[in-house]
Amino acid sequence: QLQLQESGPGLVKSSETLSLTCTVSGGSISNDNSYWGWVRQAPGKGLEWIGDIYWRGHTYYNPSVKSRVSSSVDTSNNQFSLSLTSVTAADTAVYYCARRYYDTLTGQTHYFDHWGQGTLVAVSS
Amino acid sequence: DIVMTQSPDSLAVSLGERATINCKSSQSVLYSPNSKNYLAWYQQKPGQPPKLLFYWSSSRESGVPDRFSGSGSGTDFTLTISSLQAGDVAVYYCHQYYSRPWTFGQGTKVEIK
Repeated sequence: QLQLQESGPGLVKSSETLSLTCTVSGGSISNDNSYWGWVRQAPGKGLEWIGDIYWRGHTYYNPSVKSRVSSSVDTSNNQFSLSLTSVTAADTAVYYCARRYYDTLTGQTHYFDHWGQGTLVAVSS
Repeated sequence: DIVMTQSPDSLAVSLGERATINCKSSQSVLYSPNSKNYLAWYQQKPGQPPKLLFYWSSSRESGVPDRFSGSGSGTDFTLTISSLQAGDVAVYYCHQYYSRPWTFGQGTKVEIK
């Protein structure tokens, strides 16, 4: 059973960089049929997609954060990471890592089918 | 961006009664070459991550009770709980994976009346 677990600091100072890691277990991050993504949820709010990364390095980001976000894959540790620069209070949220199925025949990514438990990151002034 | 709008924002239903949640996309999420709607539904309980209920609008994820059903095509979709149970209290989200940026509805909170 595929499992994902987020890790990282729970508190980040305003204007600094938020860095999170997602550890994948029960499956390989190098699976050709998987894209690995980040979704966040501000307190009491809905879900916002941040970005996706493929193990070969292809990335896609939400234009709302594209200028501040980057992601990477560490295949040796079966992890992928998120970095969000110049954070403000608006970046305070629970950050989820998740997997989406990737159809290699069509080149399409599908729905998120596995999620981590989420980690709360608060931005302090 | 495809905007997903759910209605209502919240609803209270008696145990055993039907709950209906609507989701409307700002453009069609029906992919003509395969006739599939790129629309998923998630259930989120307090303190938990979203749980996949349906994909392709109406394909039930393994383990989801059959009192849940998903329907719709194009721009209009519905999630129905035929007989509400106490454990169904949650926020429900629709999600389009037709085009990036992937987007979600604002959520519908289901409570017991």
